[in-house]
Amino acid sequence: GAVVSQHPSWVICKSGTSVKIECRSLDFQATTMFWYRQFPKQSLMLMATSNEGSKATYEQGVEKDKFLINHASLTLSTLTVTSAHPEDSSFYICSAAALDRPQPQHFGDGTRLSIL
Amino acid sequence: GNSVTQMEGPVTLSEEAFLTINCTYTATGYPSLFWYVQYPGEGLQLLLKATKADDKGSNKGFEATYRKETTSFHLEKGSVQVSDSAVYFCALIRYAGGTSYGKLTFGQGTILTVHP
Repeated sequence: GAVVSQHPSWVICKSGTSVKIECRSLDFQATTMFWYRQFPKQSLMLMATSNEGSKATYEQGVEKDKFLINHASLTLSTLTVTSAHPEDSSFYICSAAALDRPQPQHFGDGTRLSIL
Repeated sequence: GNSVTQMEGPVTLSEEAFLTINCTYTATGYPSLFWYVQYPGEGLQLLLKATKADDKGSNKGFEATYRKETTSFHLEKGSVQVSDSAVYFCALIRYAGGTSYGKLTFGQGTILTVHP
C-alpha cells in the first residue's frame, strides 16, 4: 500500500487564492521531503528539498515567496501556493526519503491544481 | 552535472510485442539507476533498480542491466500487455551523504501505449 499520502488529489480554485497541499509519510519518518512540478507530457521538475525543522532549499528559478514549504515534523510537509494564478496550474508531486528505506524516494500520488 | 537521456517517444506497440526503451546517463562516480512508472493521474512507482555495474534489476517481467562501459540502463520486456501502458522514467541518484539520499535526476519520460 501507499507509504506517502498526498492531499488533496485535485483542487480547483479561483485566481488569487492560496492553496495548501499536504504530504504525509505514513509508516516511516522522512528525513527529507521533495516537491516536484510536472507539466503535461513532461518530466518531473524538482522545486525544492525540505529537511525537517529547517528551511527548504529551492531550486534555481523557483520563487520562494510563491511556493511556501513547511516541514514541521518527520511525517508532514506542506506546499502552499500563494496567490495562485492560472500559470500555476500543474501537477504537483511530493516524495519522502529516509536512509533506512529500500528506495531513495517514495512518491505521493500527486495533486492536480487548476486555477481558474 | 548528472543527466539522463531517454529515447524519444511515444512508443506504440501491440500486445505481446517486445519492448525496449533506451536510457543513457552521465554522472561522476558510481550512481544508482532506476526505472519508475507513472500511470495516468498518479505519482511515480519504482519499477526496478540497480546499484552497481553489471547488476540486473527486474520486476513484473521488466529488466534492465547497469552497463557502465556504455553508461546505459535500457528497459526491456519480452511481451507487453495493455496494462503496461504508462509513462516510464529512467533516473539516477548519487548518494549525497549526511542523513538522507541525494536528488534524483530524471530522464524526460517515454510514453508507452499498448494496443490489444
